[in-house]
Amino acid sequence: EAGVVQSPRYKIIEKKQPVAFWCNPISGHNTLYWYLQNLGQGPELLIRYENEEAVDDSQLPKDRFSAERLKGVDSTLKIQPAELGDSAVYLCASSAGGTSGPDEQYFGPGTRLTVT
Amino acid sequence: SQKIEQNSEALNIQEGKTATLTCNYTNYSPAYLQWYRQDPGRGPVFLLLIRENEKEKRKERLKVTFDTTLKQSLFHITASQPADSATYLCALRSNYQLIWGAGTKLIIKP
Repeated sequence: EAGVVQSPRYKIIEKKQPVAFWCNPISGHNTLYWYLQNLGQGPELLIRYENEEAVDDSQLPKDRFSAERLKGVDSTLKIQPAELGDSAVYLCASSAGGTSGPDEQYFGPGTRLTVT
Repeated sequence: SQKIEQNSEALNIQEGKTATLTCNYTNYSPAYLQWYRQDPGRGPVFLLLIRENEKEKRKERLKVTFDTTLKQSLFHITASQPADSATYLCALRSNYQLIWGAGTKLIIKP
């Protein structure tokens, strides 16, 4: 079974430029998460999807970040314009879904973003 | 405020010994708690889940305890091996999302 796929693995951009990250979750997983992880810290949730609906985007900086999950499968996270403080690892995870009960999450390898 | 604390200092353990990692939390009443392993340059990998009504859970050389009175979970690796070296993260469920600790780096010395 293929795991969560993310691309690109690494991205270096200048500040004020746009950037996009792509995620393909595990087949059949209804719930998809985007996290941000800084060095030495745990993941911080940016947005959670149940199928194609964003059910929790309270931590997403909506002035510059946007996300979509078309057809409830793949997802794209975009930053425009990027700021120096956006440098971090962006992780995508998926789980079998549902809002009750345990939600063991499966993570992709992440995209390491460096903003110069 | 709500907080999850894991030892920020790296834990150095001699190979073959038992490694014990701690996860403390305040102002939560989690239904369950999860432990994940994260290697450099990779995403976290799920290891174990323990529910609030369970005192202990085991999987091979791993053991997790959950004390809701102390608001603490302990994660044990017995007969530790250098391959167990990684960062271990605890996460608890609150309002339909996982809240993560910062992780503890474990180093197993041969």
